[in-house]
Amino acid sequence: DSGVTQTPKHLITATGQRVTLRCSPRSGDLSVYWYQQSLDQGLQFLIQYYNGEERAKGNILERFSAQQFPDLHSELNLSSLELGDSALYFCASSTLSNQPQHFGDGTRLSIL
Amino acid sequence: KNEVEQSPQNLTAQEGEFITINCSYSVGISALHWLQQHPGGGIVSLFMLSSGKKKHGRLIATINIQEKHSSLHITASHPRDSAVYICAVVGSQGNLIFGKGTKLSVKP
Repeated sequence: DSGVTQTPKHLITATGQRVTLRCSPRSGDLSVYWYQQSLDQGLQFLIQYYNGEERAKGNILERFSAQQFPDLHSELNLSSLELGDSALYFCASSTLSNQPQHFGDGTRLSIL
Repeated sequence: KNEVEQSPQNLTAQEGEFITINCSYSVGISALHWLQQHPGGGIVSLFMLSSGKKKHGRLIATINIQEKHSSLHITASHPRDSAVYICAVVGSQGNLIFGKGTKLSVKP
């Protein structure tokens, strides 16, 4: 058990819809990372937050947004969903940016 | 050309064999991660290193910053080591860039 909790585990929705994925980091970790893993693109870094502030940005679409709340949990919002957004979305956390990351079990998003 | 290249893409070994997975990168990095992804999808961080060598049990990771190359070694491989091993580098902006992974299958 990594200590990182992601909800929901599975999500099935339709094109055009909006969903919110939630991540609770390991106790004491200030950094939260979001990743997308699709069959054709592999793992891709989306965005990192550190203590509520955006720290680094990767290949995150404009239709996607994220935030980290004062209690350090984070949410990834995906809107105007397309079939290609079907993927596994992982959250990871670490104490500092230069420390190993601990991964959640992921949320599997299926767009019908 | 991908910024992070792993080889081989697929690897089949017999139980007990010594295994090496290689990772080469073309960008400046501050650190490199080795991750293990199990068939069920879960990801475990094995190592994070920025220089030299780290060892944990039967796993050894090395990095050569000058040559922009890292290796992951597994000694006395076991079927439970079967997984996808992923190399990821931390770029100058703090972003992670992933290799496509090496799928390892260890036969009893």
